[in-house]
Amino acid sequence: NAGVTQTPKFRILKIGQSMTLQCTQDMNHNYMYWYRQDPGMGLKLIYYSVGAGITDKGEVPNGYNVSRSTTEDFPLRLELAAPSQTSVYFCASSLRDRNTDTQYFGPGTRLTVL
Amino acid sequence: GENVEQHPSTLSVQEGDSAVIKCTYSDSASNYFPWYKQELGKRPQLIIDIRSNVGEKKDQRIAVTLNKTAKHFSLHITETQPEDSAVYFCAASYSGGYQKVTFGTGTKLQVIP
Repeated sequence: NAGVTQTPKFRILKIGQSMTLQCTQDMNHNYMYWYRQDPGMGLKLIYYSVGAGITDKGEVPNGYNVSRSTTEDFPLRLELAAPSQTSVYFCASSLRDRNTDTQYFGPGTRLTVL
Repeated sequence: GENVEQHPSTLSVQEGDSAVIKCTYSDSASNYFPWYKQELGKRPQLIIDIRSNVGEKKDQRIAVTLNKTAKHFSLHITETQPEDSAVYFCAASYSGGYQKVTFGTGTKLQVIP
C-alpha cells in the first residue's frame, strides 16, 4: 500500500491565484482530514470528511473548499490565495471504528504565496 | 467541543534521562488517546495510543498513562536518546462518533547528548 499520497510536494503561488492540493489514500479509510501547519506551530484542522459525500468544517476553513466524491480522494481547493495561506498542508486518513482512530498522514505540501 | 491542553511546550533533557509530557482533555466521552511524533521536516507518525478502558500501556522505552477521572494522560519516555528529539502531539477523540479529532499544541523535546 502507498498509504496517503499528496501532490504537489512544493508550490509557489502568486496572490490571487487558485490551486487544488490533491490527496489520495489506498487503505479504504472512512475518515479524511486536511491540516495546515505553520512554522514551529501545531496542526490546525481545515476540513474533514467522515465518508464519501460528507464533509465538515474544522478550525480554520475560510479560504478553502473541499469535496469528497470517492472514498480514496479528498482534494483541497484554495481560492484567491493570500500570503496568510503560506504553510505546510498535511492530509490524513483514519479507519475510525469503536476501538481506534489512528491517523495516517501524507508527506505534506509546502505552499508559499507571494 | 473537545479541548486538549498539552504541557510543556518545550522540554530539554540530558541523554539517558526520562521525559514526561502531559495532556488534559475536557470531553468525558473521548475514548481514544494517541501520541504522534513529528521529526523535523517530516510528517506526524503514531508512536503509541491508549483507549479509555486501559490505564497504562508500554512499548519498549515509551509508555502512556491515562487517568479518566482527572481527564489527563501522559507520555513517558525513558532512557532518552538523541533520536527522540522531535515534536510530540497528543490527541483525543471519540472513536464511536462523528466528532473530529482534537490535537494538543505540541511539545518540542530536545535530548542533549
